[in-house]
Amino acid sequence: NAGVTQTPKFRVLKTGQSMTLLCAQDMNHEYMYWYRQDPGMGLRLIHYSVGEGTTAKGEVPDGYNVSRLKKQNFLLGLESAAPSQTSVYFCASSFRQGRNIQYFGAGTRLSVL
Amino acid sequence: AQTVTQSQPEMSVQEAETVTLSCTYDTSESNYYLFWYKQPPSRQMILVIRQEAYKQQNATENRFSVNFQKAAKSFSLKISDSQLGDTAMYFCAFMTYIQGAQKLVFGQGTRLTINP
Repeated sequence: NAGVTQTPKFRVLKTGQSMTLLCAQDMNHEYMYWYRQDPGMGLRLIHYSVGEGTTAKGEVPDGYNVSRLKKQNFLLGLESAAPSQTSVYFCASSFRQGRNIQYFGAGTRLSVL
Repeated sequence: AQTVTQSQPEMSVQEAETVTLSCTYDTSESNYYLFWYKQPPSRQMILVIRQEAYKQQNATENRFSVNFQKAAKSFSLKISDSQLGDTAMYFCAFMTYIQGAQKLVFGQGTRLTINP
């Protein structure tokens, strides 16, 4: 089982460039999430989705956009990257009901120069 | 707002020893879930153990167990017979609900090193 797959694993951007991070899950989960992890801090929620076609803001949404056109995919976009967005990004997914466990991808390390 | 505090940035023990990682949280909710996640150098976030707040019995998973003190809002993780593979960052997390979805609030993490 693949679980939660994130692409790419690493990326370097210049300030002002744009990019999209892709998250795919094969567990038929309804909920999907994007987090960022900065040094000395735990993960913080950027955006989340409770189903296909729906998205909502988390704790730190500024500078990011998301889309969930298909149930299994959740895209995170940076329209104009800034050095403050240098971070490790994690995608997670979970069932709407059940044991409330979120399953994580392996992360994407993004550097913005 | 819910907060999670891990007061030990780093810990180090010898292989086969027992180690306890501390976690406290702040919430006004009565029904919630608590988790410990492990993040090895591979960066993958791995669920270690889960506790439901309405259950008084402490959760256990093989060598991992928790001491859940609801009144004190404390949720510590005990690792028995520690192994080299336990070396990792450990994150305590509190789950609440935001507009119907599950929201995890993480602590800052504790870096645990198991020495041979």
